[in-house]
Amino acid sequence: EVQLLESGGGLVQPGGSLRLSCAASGFTFSNFAMTWVRQAPGKGLEWVSAISAYGTSTYYAGSVKGRFTISRDDSKNTLYLQMNSLRAEDTAVYYCAKGGWASWFDPWGQGTLVTVSS
Amino acid sequence: EIVLTQSPATLSLSPGERATLSCRASQSVSSYLAWYQQKPGQAPRLLIYDASNRATGIPARFSGGGSGTDFTLTISSLEPEDFAVYYCQQRSNWPRTFGQGTKVEIK
Repeated sequence: EVQLLESGGGLVQPGGSLRLSCAASGFTFSNFAMTWVRQAPGKGLEWVSAISAYGTSTYYAGSVKGRFTISRDDSKNTLYLQMNSLRAEDTAVYYCAKGGWASWFDPWGQGTLVTVSS
Repeated sequence: EIVLTQSPATLSLSPGERATLSCRASQSVSSYLAWYQQKPGQAPRLLIYDASNRATGIPARFSGGGSGTDFTLTISSLEPEDFAVYYCQQRSNWPRTFGQGTKVEIK
């Protein structure tokens, strides 16, 4: 069974940094693209970033480009999202999902909440 | 960026009724469109991919159609567990984008 478990969320001040992790199991992690999607409180889904299998390519939403960095450690079956220069509007539940390159987001993790506030 | 517009924003129906949700793309996405279901406090779940294919374990009452710019998700007869928010999403172009969602609520 594929499982994705996010961690690393929490309360951070504006301008601060946070690194999210997504531990994957149940599939050959290195063979699959991975994606981050976020959802602000009471709002819809927003695609954030994707990384290809083996980490050769990445894409970012315009709202996070230059501030967020997606990466992966295939030896640890873990996906990361380094978030710098955080803003109040980055407050959201952040989900990782398997796929998103030439495939769909399936499945999703349970999400981790990031709150940016002073 | 491809904008996906979902309608209606809210659909108020009774169990057993038929639900028809719409998703319109600002430019052609071919058949690179999926539908996700999200219940309160839960992560989204893939329902339909490539416009018309049911994901693993999805009941036959869910069906998808369309291509190009106009897509529909139909729930033939609503079950109590189907009341949720539904999102469409495209993977034709980067950045990937979602529609704003349609809430299917109990009338």
